Amino acid sequence: GENVEQHPSTLSVQEGDSAVIKCTYSDSASNYFPWYKQELGKRPQLIIDIRSNVGEKKDQRIAVTLNKTAKHFSLHITETQPEDSAVYFCAANTGGFKTIFGAGTRLFVKA
Amino acid sequence: KAGVTQTPRYLIKTRGQQVTLSCSPISGHRSVSWYQQTPGQGLQFLFEYFSETQRNKGNFPGRFSGRQFSNSRSEMNVSTLELGDSALYLCASSVTSGGTEQYFGPGTRLTVT
Repeated sequence: GENVEQHPSTLSVQEGDSAVIKCTYSDSASNYFPWYKQELGKRPQLIIDIRSNVGEKKDQRIAVTLNKTAKHFSLHITETQPEDSAVYFCAANTGGFKTIFGAGTRLFVKA
Repeated sequence: KAGVTQTPRYLIKTRGQQVTLSCSPISGHRSVSWYQQTPGQGLQFLFEYFSETQRNKGNFPGRFSGRQFSNSRSEMNVSTLELGDSALYLCASSVTSGGTEQYFGPGTRLTVT
């Protein structure tokens, strides 16, 4: 069945460093890849997304890359700040009324 | 626009009971998806409704069911509750189905004792 693997499960970086989270999906029909940030006790919030006809998308300090051939997509956060500390989820959607989420990455940014 | 709302926010039930959770999507959104979030399992897809029809279902037992009304509001029902059903239940709405931005509600925290 469809599956999204996400790594690492925990990531600790120093403030100002970059953070990279990687995901792999199994369904080659997947065509939409959102990323969500969930702070403690809050709802997941969409932070960036990418579609299968695009290889890279950037929004200020956040960027996402997609390699359709390898079925990989990654989230890059530059110049990390303490407020970036949260759980990040990747997801894949096939357009078939189903979104599959990765298991999440807990990011700690140390001041 | 008002965001996605869910009621109730917290619920405590005992094993064997049933529960109904409600989700009101953002105005104009016709798709509602439900997810179960637990510390060990992340976000697990339950089902998605669009135009009052269930379009897809995740790998959950038949005790989990849902429906959507003509105003796009959705309810989720869990019958014969088990301890393992304790979780945060999140709904998310989007304008349409299939590859569009989803916006999450605050969730309903269900505790089964």
